[in-house]
Amino acid sequence: DAGVIQSPRHEVTEMGQEVTLRCKPISGHNSLFWYRQTMMRGLELLIYFNNNVPIDDSGMPEDRFSAKMPNASFSTLKIQPSEPRDSAVYFCASTDDFHQVFGPGTRLTVL
Amino acid sequence: SQQGEEDPQALSIQEGENATMNCSYKTSINNLQWYRQNSGRGLVHLILIRSNEREKHSGRLRVTLDTSKKSSSLLITASRAADTASYFCATDFRGSNYKLTFGKGTLLTVNP
Repeated sequence: DAGVIQSPRHEVTEMGQEVTLRCKPISGHNSLFWYRQTMMRGLELLIYFNNNVPIDDSGMPEDRFSAKMPNASFSTLKIQPSEPRDSAVYFCASTDDFHQVFGPGTRLTVL
Repeated sequence: SQQGEEDPQALSIQEGENATMNCSYKTSINNLQWYRQNSGRGLVHLILIRSNEREKHSGRLRVTLDTSKKSSSLLITASRAADTASYFCATDFRGSNYKLTFGKGTLLTVNP
């Protein structure tokens, strides 16, 4: 298994642009999580899905953020419009029990 | 607020020494886990200890859990330079649907 796959690995964009981050979870895992990591705030859970259904999106910072999971093998996290304070590393993780497997992350820089 | 809080925030030791990191949490848990993160990488699961367990070993790792004190410790014995990383504890609760709450981590530096 290739593990959790995230793309792109790095993204540099300008303020106001739309950003889409992608995640392919491990096959057979029924839960998927999106996290954001910054030096100031640490690792924050943004949203998670069980069986493709969003369960808890209370960590999504504001309406500029949205996430979808159209099927068991793909999820997206979209930021529109992006702002410099969104600069962070975004991780996707999947699991079929309590042991989460993390992807390599997407480093987002908003200028 | 954060459920898990690690201490110390940073720890620097010499290769061959033991490293101990602690984690405290606030409410009853189902499981507690430890993860490692190398710089620029995703988190990697190290070990899980259930609320009815008191100690668990995996290779050079030893985890203890004291539910009465709501605390856990991670001991890495005979440390190596390759153990240099950030270490996070994560907790879950009954009915949490596999949701984990992470602490802010301990940065361990092992000097060769």
